[in-house]
Amino acid sequence: EPEVTQTPSHQVTQMGQEVILRCVPISNHLYFYWYRQILGQKVEFLVSFYNNEISEKSEIFDDQFSVERPDGSNFTLKIRSTKLEDSAMYFCASSGRTDCNQPQHFGDGTRLSIL
Amino acid sequence: GQQLNQSPQSMFIQEGEDVSMNCTSSSIFNTWLWYKQDPGEGPVLLIALYKAGELTSNGRLTAQFGITRKDSFLNISASIPSDVGIYFCAGLNYGGATNKLIFGTGTLLAVQP
Repeated sequence: EPEVTQTPSHQVTQMGQEVILRCVPISNHLYFYWYRQILGQKVEFLVSFYNNEISEKSEIFDDQFSVERPDGSNFTLKIRSTKLEDSAMYFCASSGRTDCNQPQHFGDGTRLSIL
Repeated sequence: GQQLNQSPQSMFIQEGEDVSMNCTSSSIFNTWLWYKQDPGEGPVLLIALYKAGELTSNGRLTAQFGITRKDSFLNISASIPSDVGIYFCAGLNYGGATNKLIFGTGTLLAVQP
């Protein structure tokens, strides 16, 4: 069964550094998402992306965050200057066609640790 | 903002027992989803519900989309040790620009062999 894959599985970074989290969504999907889960808490929506632009972003997704689909297969989340509170699991998800209510499928996440 | 509350927060049961967990919302959704999360992994879709009143099964799992569209429940019958994990409900209003998921607070399930 097709899967969403994320790399790296764990990223350790000094505060203030830039990080890029990478995702390969399921190949025929058109909607792409990033979610965040702080340890012990629920999963929170960050941003959705469709047709090469952001569809919606949450309050968490401030100017330090950006997303990009640099080619036909990858979907990236960049945090420009990381803060301690950015430490969390980051999940990428994708879903199918816009004319069909298809559920989102998640990758296994990247654990981001900011020191 | 929209909030989903799940109950119970945690359950500790014996293998073979049936389990029921609930999710309630402060607002209406037109789609309900149930996911399971194992430690260190991403949420895995268990059941998707698209219509108020809908009852759907997936093996030992059964979920229902509440008539008011503000709640859903998930039942697991004859639990086994591999059912251990955190179960999240998620609401979605399909048809908008984004289809973002709003996740519940989670129910931790522990199954003793």
